[in-house]
Amino acid sequence: KAGVTQTPRYLIKTRGQQVTLSCSPISGHRSVSWYQQTPGQGLQFLFEYFSETQRNKGNFPGRFSGRQFSNSRSEMNVSTLELGDSALYLCASSLDGTDNQPQHFGDGTRLSIL
Amino acid sequence: DAKTTQPPSMDCAEGRAANLPCNHSTISGNEYVYWYRQIHSQGPQYIIHGLKNNETNEMASLIITEDRKSSTLILPHATLRDTAVYYCIVRASISNTGNQFYFGTGTSLTVIP
Repeated sequence: KAGVTQTPRYLIKTRGQQVTLSCSPISGHRSVSWYQQTPGQGLQFLFEYFSETQRNKGNFPGRFSGRQFSNSRSEMNVSTLELGDSALYLCASSLDGTDNQPQHFGDGTRLSIL
Repeated sequence: DAKTTQPPSMDCAEGRAANLPCNHSTISGNEYVYWYRQIHSQGPQYIIHGLKNNETNEMASLIITEDRKSSTLILPHATLRDTAVYYCIVRASISNTGNQFYFGTGTSLTVIP
């Protein structure tokens, strides 16, 4: 069974640009969550999608957005990029996002802002 | 959300058991304890989770105290490949509106040859 796939693996952008990251969950998983990981702040929750609806949101500005498609694939978008957005962006999927279901993570997209 | 406390670093000799402690004294009765590990430049890898009873799988064992205020992850025979940052997480459940993981700073485990 294929794991969570994130594309691209690496990305370089400049300040002010926007970026879209993609995540394909494990087959059959309907919940997709996104996290940002930086050396200073660690792993922080961005948002969760289930059945094409954002179900939960972390404490990030509106420049960070996402969506989920009918096949459960998800994208996240960051607009007006800032230097501080340089990070590893991780996607995780689970069957339905309930307590007793582990989330399985992809290897992330490393975003560098110049 | 319940917070967790872990030692920042630990060493373990190769072939010996690695015992990683976690304190979660404010855990609620319906919150699960999860363990993940992360090897540099990879995404976190799920290890094990439990609610009240001790759990074991092919990777590790999870021992949860009777009062549920602390737990220990046991890697029975540590290898060099087990060198990683280990995260103990209490699952924050928000009813039917979804849930999320709160990652702390974890324990950096170094397995020594």
